[in-house]
Amino acid sequence: QVTLKESGPGILKPSQTLSLTCSFSGFSLSTSGMGVGWIRQPSGKGLEWLAHIWWDDDKYYNPSLKSQLTISKDTSRNQVFLKITSVDTADTATYYCARSFITTFDYWGQGTTLTVSS
Amino acid sequence: DIQMNQSPSSLSASLGDTITITCHASQNINVWLSWYQQKPGNIPKLLIYKASNLHTGVPSRFSGSGSGTGFTLTISSLQPEDIATYYCQQGQSYPWTFGGGTKLEIK
Repeated sequence: QVTLKESGPGILKPSQTLSLTCSFSGFSLSTSGMGVGWIRQPSGKGLEWLAHIWWDDDKYYNPSLKSQLTISKDTSRNQVFLKITSVDTADTATYYCARSFITTFDYWGQGTTLTVSS
Repeated sequence: DIQMNQSPSSLSASLGDTITITCHASQNINVWLSWYQQKPGNIPKLLIYKASNLHTGVPSRFSGSGSGTGFTLTISSLQPEDIATYYCQQGQSYPWTFGGGTKLEIK
């Protein structure tokens, strides 16, 4: 059974750094073809892909945020991490991690909400 | 970036109806198109991958078709539990992009 769970700080002030953790089970990021991505969704709005990391440590970022994003993984602990520097109010959203296989997100975590407020 | 244009943005239909949602890509994405369902207050769930392949456990009343730049999601015999927002997503090239969503309501 594939499960993913996101964790984060919940609330940050503008200019702070967001650190998110995705802890997963039921698959391994050492398996060829496996990946984990991060997607966010402001309340009442659509989905925005942020970053992706693959089993071979290949990494991809949304160009609109690339300078702020860092994705990494700890394969032995079944965790993927995302850092977003210099957050502002526009980063208020629910952040999801999701497993990817080929080009689709087949299993999603429950999401962690972030509020950025001074 | 590849833009994904979904239509309509909202749709009202009756139980038992067959409805179609379309997704148009700004460039050729071959068959690298997925459809997701997000029920109110819930997480997105995969329905269709690689344009026409049904994900495990998804009812057969859902179907997908298309290739290149034009794709459709069809829901036949609409059920109350189909109330949701539906999103398409392309995986042809980075950045992966989602359509704006189609909100489905029951009349």
